[in-house]
Amino acid sequence: DTGVSQDPRHKITKRGQNVTFRCDPISEHNRLYWYRQTLGQGPEFLTYFQNEAQLEKSRLLSDRFSAERPKGSFSTLEIQRTEQGDSAMYLCASSSGTPNEQFFGPGTRLTVL
Amino acid sequence: GQNIDQPTEMTATEGAIVQINCTYQTSGFNGLFWYQQHAGEAPTFLSYNVLDGLEEKGRFSSFLSRSKGYSYLLLKELQMKDSASYLCAVGGANNLFFGTGTRLTVIP
Repeated sequence: DTGVSQDPRHKITKRGQNVTFRCDPISEHNRLYWYRQTLGQGPEFLTYFQNEAQLEKSRLLSDRFSAERPKGSFSTLEIQRTEQGDSAMYLCASSSGTPNEQFFGPGTRLTVL
Repeated sequence: GQNIDQPTEMTATEGAIVQINCTYQTSGFNGLFWYQQHAGEAPTFLSYNVLDGLEEKGRFSSFLSRSKGYSYLLLKELQMKDSASYLCAVGGANNLFFGTGTRLTVIP
């Protein structure tokens, strides 16, 4: 399968713990995006990479959140000191350029207890 | 600011035609996108409009009027598998700004 993959698919953690998610984009795509989606809402943009450079971050991305794409391929999203409000589906998407036809991965569903 | 409005829910009958409307007010515009999302799954791309007019792709068509800030998605010959959420999104410089989605239920 050559689509976007994410790992893990589900994560349950206790409040205050740190979690890290991984995203592997479609191999020829140089653009990578992270979104967060809560029940009944559309995805909300978190951050964007072009190759290894993080070019845009949403105000939603508090200082507890950090994302990396060290070699311009896979990306990680870390949440430190998780809060119950962080419970959501975290979606990764990739694209090959504008227009932003983005291809989404299956998501990581985070539950913070 | 950014605002996208679409109906929360719609119901239609198998075999019929349904139109899902979307109005938007955004600070930037880099195309209007429609995505389909089945429950518990990732959004999948359906259509893209950057110029005014109708784009047809099989059973799905999408229309855009930039001057009115308006788009619609038209689904023909509805099938039960079309029951899903349909997300309208405006392309920004480096991201997509999504509406809350329209949950479509197709009934026999």
